Amino acid sequence: DQQVKQNSPSLSVQEGRISILNCDYTNSMFDYFLWYKKYPAEGPTFLISISSIKDKNEDGRFTVFLNKSAKHLSLHIVPSQPGDSAVYFCAASSPGTYKYIFGTGTRLKVLA
Amino acid sequence: DAGITQSPRHKVTETGTPVTLRCHQTENHRYMYWYRQDPGHGLRLIHYSYGVKDTDKGEVSDGYSVSRSKTEDFLLTLESATSSQTSVYFCAIMVQPSYEQYFGPGTRLTVT
Repeated sequence: DQQVKQNSPSLSVQEGRISILNCDYTNSMFDYFLWYKKYPAEGPTFLISISSIKDKNEDGRFTVFLNKSAKHLSLHIVPSQPGDSAVYFCAASSPGTYKYIFGTGTRLKVLA
Repeated sequence: DAGITQSPRHKVTETGTPVTLRCHQTENHRYMYWYRQDPGHGLRLIHYSYGVKDTDKGEVSDGYSVSRSKTEDFLLTLESATSSQTSVYFCAIMVQPSYEQYFGPGTRLTVT
């Protein structure tokens, strides 16, 4: 049973436009969420996180939104740049477990 | 850069042979993790450690064992490698108090 789902395997966006990557979860106990970016042949790189006590967190071009009632989070990248082309993973954890459940990833391609 | 190295970076081995992968960190973080990444599955947790000699299972622990005799080293052992264990293996550490995870560069393991 996939507790964290990224239902879009891929996404293409024009340079300068907004990229929106989505993530759904089923476990209502999750209270901490993270987004990672991964380039080929490299380890995932931490991007941004959000605690369940917030509904939005912003860091430069990256904003994560959390909708707890819908069990949905999204990552917005504005403006998108060609260097943002990568696979993006969302991850979630429950209080006190320090274990992270990852989604299957979305491949973003930013077109120049 | 969280000072995480993995060795070897690439390995080809035969079915039935034992294999040990090493993760080394330089910053004395308490929590360390082993994941595998496979197409269509994202990142799945194999085992994790919350201190020297303290380890616990993840989602896909069958066929794997771990050891942590020093804070800086976390070893993953495949006692008898199978073709289904062909994968890319990532080590990670968790930074407290932010709970962010940082990953190593990965080990590509092929079992023939």
